[in-house]
Amino acid sequence: KAGVTQTPRYLIKTRGQQVTLSCSPISGHRSVSWYQQTPGQGLQFLFEYFSETQRNKGNFPGRFSGRQFSNSRSEMNVSTLELGDSALYLCASSTTGTFTEAFFGQGTRLTVV
Amino acid sequence: GNSVTQMEGPVTLSEEAFLTINCTYTATGYPSLFWYVQYPGEGLQLLLKATKADDKGSNKGFEATYRKETTSFHLEKGSVQVSDSAVYFCALSERAGNQFYFGTGTSLTVIP
Repeated sequence: KAGVTQTPRYLIKTRGQQVTLSCSPISGHRSVSWYQQTPGQGLQFLFEYFSETQRNKGNFPGRFSGRQFSNSRSEMNVSTLELGDSALYLCASSTTGTFTEAFFGQGTRLTVV
Repeated sequence: GNSVTQMEGPVTLSEEAFLTINCTYTATGYPSLFWYVQYPGEGLQLLLKATKADDKGSNKGFEATYRKETTSFHLEKGSVQVSDSAVYFCALSERAGNQFYFGTGTSLTVIP
């Protein structure tokens, strides 16, 4: 069974640009959530999508947005990039039930210069 | 609100030593508790979980018991190996939206 796939693995962008990250969940998983990991702030929840609807959102500015497609694949977009957006962005997928574990991808390492 | 507090690192142990990483939590409801492990350059892998009070999660020699009375979920292993060197995250998840709350992570280095 294939795991969670995130593309690309590495990205370098310039301040002010925008970026789109992609996540393909495990087959059959309909919930996809996104996390930002930085040395200073640790792992912070961005948002969660279930059946193409945003079900939960963390405390991030509106520059961070996402969407989910009918095949459960998800994209995350960051507009007007800032240096502080440099981080490892992790996607996690899970089944529809509550109290289920999340399966994480390897992440996309975004560097903003 | 929900939060997780775990032992600050880094932790350095000799091979075959006993490991404990402390984790306590604050939750508004009845969460599930998890330990995830992250190896260099990788995402997070589930190590073990417990979904209700007094449950014990175990995997690969690691154990943790869900203690509601002390709101704790400490990770233990009787004899660590060099291959256990990684960063360990304690996390909780409540009913809504599969949102996880993570601790800050504890870096473990095991030396031969």
